[in-house]
This record gives sequence, structure tokens and C-alpha cells, in this order.
Amino acid sequence: YELTQPPSVSVSPGHTARITCSGDALPTRFSYWYQQKSGQAPVLVIYEDSKRPSRIPERFSASRSGTMATLTISGAQMEDEADYYCYLTDSSGNVFGTGTKVTVL
Amino acid sequence: EVQLVESGGGLIQPGGSLRLSCAASGFTFSKYNMNWVRQAPGKGLEWVSYIDVRSITTYYAESVKGRFTISRDNAKSSLWLQMDSLRDEDTAVYYCARDDYGAMDVWGQGTTVSV
Repeated sequence: YELTQPPSVSVSPGHTARITCSGDALPTRFSYWYQQKSGQAPVLVIYEDSKRPSRIPERFSASRSGTMATLTISGAQMEDEADYYCYLTDSSGNVFGTGTKVTVL
Repeated sequence: EVQLVESGGGLIQPGGSLRLSCAASGFTFSKYNMNWVRQAPGKGLEWVSYIDVRSITTYYAESVKGRFTISRDNAKSSLWLQMDSLRDEDTAVYYCARDDYGAMDVWGQGTTVSV
């Protein structure tokens, strides 16, 4: 199965960015979100649709409805500029979304 | 400190074999499932393989099925990825990642494979 994300999203500092992830498997699977800054390993920012690891800032939130999951960055900061990937697990094989480059300018 | 360190990458000719290693420290390795994820130059993340805590269940991406083998040794806190019949399209940075009920919450720094 596939997970489709917009290639890019631009946001002004302090404003809200929303990144979507669509896929037919989403209604029956938890979604996860990863942030990857240039030259670095990915970092988990959201697990089980909407839970945030303790070290991740509160401005990151997410939700899932039907065939779409959405990552929201409220009050985006310059350091949030990165690639973001959604992810699903399944016994037939796990899959990452196509990735979204978030530009803060 | 919780840490994963990959090694074993390098330059290899098409059709060759390579074995990647991932050394875990700072946590009880035997309690976590593990994954390999790769990223080709300028491309997105691609999940490669999964192994459960007792090595009973393994999964592979279709792109590597039959060519790659994941394994682990809990006594040595080590994870491996045996890669055979390598192709140009296997060129990537390979990451190992700890799996906490589906969430890959700890990642290594990656090792580069060039075919």
C-alpha cells in the first residue's frame, strides 16, 4: 500500500503548518510521524496517531480520520524546517509516506 | 545513554554481499523488536526489514525479499543485515532503529552502502 504526502509545505515563523498523509490502510492502522533534518537520522515526533514523546515540543500534534492523517505544527519555529514522513506498520510490510519538506520562511 | 551504532557499510560491486552490524547499548536489547530502514541519496525513507525479540518473526520489503536477511543476538546486543546479490538501487544510508510497539524511537547514525 502507499502513503501520499504533499512534496512541500511552506510556513511563516509563528504560523501553523499542516502536513497530510493519505492512504487506504490508515483507517485500520496507527500512524506515526518522523522528522528528519538535513544530514541527520530521523526522529520520532508522533506515535499511535496523536501521542507525543516527552522530548518533543507541544507545538507538534497530529490526528487521524478515515484515510487521512495530519501532522500540525502550531507556531512553527525555524528549527522545525525539515523533512517529515508518516509511517504505518503492517504484517505485510511497513511503509513510509512519500515525505514532505517543510520550509519555514 | 541509549545508543545504536551501525557499521559495515562500504563500496561493493553489483552482485556482491555485505553484512551490516548494529550495536546496541544503554537499554535491554532483548526486550525490543528491531528494524532496518534505508535512504537512497536524495530520496525518502524506505523501511527494509523487521525482527521480533526472539527472532521468530521477520518481515522484509518486497524490494529486498530473498536477498537480505535480518538477524540478531540478544546476548551480544547486536543486530545484523546480511545483504546478498546487491544492486545499484541498494545504494543508501542504512539505519537500524529500535521498535517500541511500532514506534521507531531510537535510531543509529547510519552506515553508507554504495553499490
